[in-house]
Amino acid sequence: GAGVSQSPRYKVAKRGQDVALRCDPISGHVSLFWYQQALGQGPEFLTYFQNEAQLDKSGLPSDRFFAERPEGSVSTLKIQRTQQEDSAVYLCASSLDSTTPMYNEQFFGPGTRLTVL
Amino acid sequence: AQKITQTQPGMFVQEKEAVTLDCTYDTSDPSYGLFWYKQPSSGEMIFLIYQGSYDQQNATEGRYSLNFQKARKSANLVISASQLGDSAMYFCAMREDRDDKIIFGKGTRLHILP
Repeated sequence: GAGVSQSPRYKVAKRGQDVALRCDPISGHVSLFWYQQALGQGPEFLTYFQNEAQLDKSGLPSDRFFAERPEGSVSTLKIQRTQQEDSAVYLCASSLDSTTPMYNEQFFGPGTRLTVL
Repeated sequence: AQKITQTQPGMFVQEKEAVTLDCTYDTSDPSYGLFWYKQPSSGEMIFLIYQGSYDQQNATEGRYSLNFQKARKSANLVISASQLGDSAMYFCAMREDRDDKIIFGKGTRLHILP
């Protein structure tokens, strides 16, 4: 079946612009995660959804970052008034319900590379 | 505080040799899980192997095995019979069971030489 998809794959924004990054998780996956990966670094957790509920947003770096998953499937990460330090790859991952053993395997999308000029 | 430490920024290994990628971790939670992911140059993160803190045996998945030494807080990845396609970044990661987020290390870039 289809994996996790993200769009756009590449985004160039001028400083101060708003951007919206989309994630389509694997069908039936309850859990959805967003990560930010700076160049040469490991991914860093941003936020986590279980269905439509945002259970953890402790990793969002500022109030310019906002994520939603209104119907419990597709999720959007929005960054307002982008800054140069927001340049990174934004990864989305999904997994089955946390009560299942297979929850441990998170399936990652290809990422969106954001460049802020 | 940094919870995952990967001390090898880069490694060069001859094809067909075994390779060990080091990972140490820190947590006060008695219940946690450890992960290894592979990230080729194309950018996707590929799940390799998982070890639960209460698992009695070391996890194995094909050519991958996790050398789990709980007292030393060590979770090294062993790749047997390395192949050219194993060249990639490898990330060690951890999730405390009281939490849902996964914390990643800085990664080790592995180069397999023909």
